[in-house]
Amino acid sequence: AQSVTQLDSQVPVFEEAPVELRCNYSSSVSVYLFWYVQYPNQGLQLLLKYLSGSTLVKGINGFEAEFNKSQTSFHLRKPSVHISDTAEYFCAVSSSGSRLTFGEGTQLTVNP
Amino acid sequence: GAVVSQHPSWVICKSGTSVKIECRSLDFQATTMFWYRQFPKQSLMLMATSNEGSKATYEQGVEKDKFLINHASLTLSTLTVTSAHPEDSSFYICSAPKGSVLHEQFFGPGTRLTVL
Repeated sequence: AQSVTQLDSQVPVFEEAPVELRCNYSSSVSVYLFWYVQYPNQGLQLLLKYLSGSTLVKGINGFEAEFNKSQTSFHLRKPSVHISDTAEYFCAVSSSGSRLTFGEGTQLTVNP
Repeated sequence: GAVVSQHPSWVICKSGTSVKIECRSLDFQATTMFWYRQFPKQSLMLMATSNEGSKATYEQGVEKDKFLINHASLTLSTLTVTSAHPEDSSFYICSAPKGSVLHEQFFGPGTRLTVL
């Protein structure tokens, strides 16, 4: 079985500040890790993914994440956020290449 | 990237009626599609896996007779909510993997169902 824990349900930050959204996972096998963003009343858009190789993954919109196997974490970071980054962010894990298991989500609110 | 569409984007229906939601992969073929539901301020919960040409696989606790899934072609899966009740009101999202790499899924924009 696999599970995902997003440690913060809400993260308020000011514009141009750095942000980190935390994600921890548990799985008994090798995993693939994802971060998705969801804007209100829309589907999910893939920000970035870790499948294999380099543990530092760069995604769209200036986001990056680092896979830490020993700490079973995959935290999402951005050095300087914009108002337009305000959205819900979901961490997800997949093993054996099939179903995705999502975390509870983190609402990022960027204030001017 | 690949494009997945859903229709309708929102629907309001009366209690006891049935509602069909379509999920289409526009520029690729998908032998498998996934259906999720999302309650307000909550995460996505996988309801079922739709398989082209065979029966869908439902997650534990999901009533297969209430949520009918038909994967009629390699680009279309439908979810029918039968005898809908207010508690079925939710945001329904489908996804489809492109190619043989199941973990690279592309998501539809979602369908907001409101049952009165």
